[in-house]
Formats: sequence, C-alpha cells, structure tokens
Amino acid sequence: DAGITQSPRHKVTETGTPVTLRCHQTENHRYMYWYRQDPGHGLRLIHYSYGVKDTDKGEVSDGYSVSRSKTEDFLLTLESATSSQTSVYFCAISDVPVSYEQYFGPGTRLTVT
Amino acid sequence: AQSVTQLDSHVSVSEGTPVLLRCNYSSSYSPSLFWYVQHPNKGLQLLLKYTSAATLVKGINGFEAEFKKSETSFHLTKPSAHMSDAAEYFCVVSDRGVTGGGNKLTFGTGTQLKVEL
Repeated sequence: DAGITQSPRHKVTETGTPVTLRCHQTENHRYMYWYRQDPGHGLRLIHYSYGVKDTDKGEVSDGYSVSRSKTEDFLLTLESATSSQTSVYFCAISDVPVSYEQYFGPGTRLTVT
Repeated sequence: AQSVTQLDSHVSVSEGTPVLLRCNYSSSYSPSLFWYVQHPNKGLQLLLKYTSAATLVKGINGFEAEFKKSETSFHLTKPSAHMSDAAEYFCVVSDRGVTGGGNKLTFGTGTQLKVEL
C-alpha cells in the first residue's frame, strides 16, 4: 500500500465551526488531491496540488480551502462547516508522468451536525 | 469534458458465475482508464489500468477489462465470482490536461456487486 495517512479518521463537528483535515504521504509524490465521496456521486475532486504552495480548484471547491507547505502534507480546511459537507473525504497522490493512477488514503468520515 | 457512465448501479451474481460490470466513457482524446474497488468502509484500491498499450488489461484477483475504442467501452469481467468480490466498483477516466501537468480523475457513480451463495 502507498504510504498515505489521513487524520482524523472520524470527526463530528457542529455547523459553523472550522475543520482541518490532514493528508500525509511518505512516497515523495509531487501531486496530491482531495476528493469527497457521496452516495450516487462517486468521488468528486475538491482541490489538488502540483507542488509546494501550488494548488488549483476541482469541481466542488466552494466552501473549501487547501494548503501545502511541505511535499508530504496537504491540508483541507472547511472554514465554516455546513451540513452539506457531511461526507467521506479521501486524499490521493500520483506520480505523473511516471504513471497516471492515483493512490488513495483510508478516508476521513466527517459529520456536521 | 470527460465523463464516465456505469450502466448498472447494482449487479447480483451467484458465486462461481461470471461477472460483467459495464462502463462507457467519453473523452476528447485517447484516455487512460481505470477500475477501482472499494470494500465496505475501506479506501479505494486500484484493480487495473489501461494506458494505450494492450487493449485487454489484466488486473488483480482475476479481473480483466477490454478497451474498445469503437464502442467507447471499458467493461470489467471476471470468469468466476468469489464471495470476497462483493464490493463497490468504480470506472474512472483520467484527464491529463490540467494545471501543473498533473491529472484529474473523473469517477463513475459506482456499481455495487453482490455475490450470493
């Protein structure tokens, strides 16, 4: 398995509170991604990073921000959590152009009450 | 824009019988295609990938998929289902034309495979 960890693995928070999810990799891959998984939607890309301090938006980026200060860490922040952000969040990494598949972390289940 | 359509949201088979999970894709250029599997409450595991080499791709656990450009399909098959194959399967297309030279994955909505005794 690719060396990807996510923390926390489970979190319950209240509407309006800030939340930060962390993704850590030990593979030294340049590219990192955040997805959310919701029933009937598969996985959808929130943000991705193509290097330290280099990030771009995905298809469902509203309400989320990201930061990458080190190659190994990619943070996802919900500035003010809403119930619609209740989801399972997955981090992924890839080693483009060596290969185009992405390797996924174990996921974080976030519940916003 | 690229897209993926998984034609069945649920498939049920008996153990020992063949599995067919159907996937059609849309892409403006020659795509990279993947199948991922997700067991309950687990992360996603790469099952197999097509990246413009052989059109018949073999993956882990006896699964294989055939890339058919004329039909824009990438169906997943296995000759004989096992109970441990019960999981959700995602067909995925890769878009390489993104900022910074990386790639974005576009996921299908998933097919839940049930294997019965």
